Amino acid sequence: EAQVTQNPRYLITVTGKKLTVTCSQNMNHEYMSWYRQDPGLGLRQIYYSMNVEVTDKGDVPEGYKVSRKEKRNFPLILESPSPNQTSLYFCASSLYYREEAQNQPQHFGDGTRLSIL
Amino acid sequence: AQKITQTQPGMFVQEKEAVTLDCTYDTSDQSYGLFWYKQPSSGEMIFLIYQGSYDEQNATEGRYSLNFQKARKSANLVISASQLGDSAMYFCAMREESFNDYKLSFGAGTTVTVRA
Repeated sequence: EAQVTQNPRYLITVTGKKLTVTCSQNMNHEYMSWYRQDPGLGLRQIYYSMNVEVTDKGDVPEGYKVSRKEKRNFPLILESPSPNQTSLYFCASSLYYREEAQNQPQHFGDGTRLSIL
Repeated sequence: AQKITQTQPGMFVQEKEAVTLDCTYDTSDQSYGLFWYKQPSSGEMIFLIYQGSYDEQNATEGRYSLNFQKARKSANLVISASQLGDSAMYFCAMREESFNDYKLSFGAGTTVTVRA
């Protein structure tokens, strides 16, 4: 089954304790992205990657890191989490380097609900 | 400036009736794509329908149709024959082709509650 898998689904942790949210896709997609969802703001892009070893900042990158060492994986790292990073996080993937990518939707994982105390 | 505006925070609709969710967008690109996603209470994001800026016909997918008015920069989602399972939050999103980052700009969402 084609899917984007995020782990964990839920996490409660404390300020300053490093954490990693994993994301893996099995659709051979070049493009992967992280979003955070906050009430009244919709989803905002944190980081994205157009291919292995190619990553760039989105609209709200402060306090986050990513890496893309393999095509299928795109982990989100919070080196020193703070309460303002409490949010619902989504990983997404899609085609990129192909003509048919233009009208393809991004496929989303089921989300990770993160609470930083 | 807000790229996607959804002016209806919440709506109630009677089962079996149609409902229209408003979405207006702001872009100077000629080429762009508009997407609607559904987010049920369980939290996942489900793709519903896509409209390209050069598509001449309004997109349809089963009970979902998109009322695309390019000159007015609106892309309203119409759900026909509402079902209880349609209760969810709905997001309108846009991808502008001039940006190679393939970023989706999302609206704030509209919560739909279907009443029996």
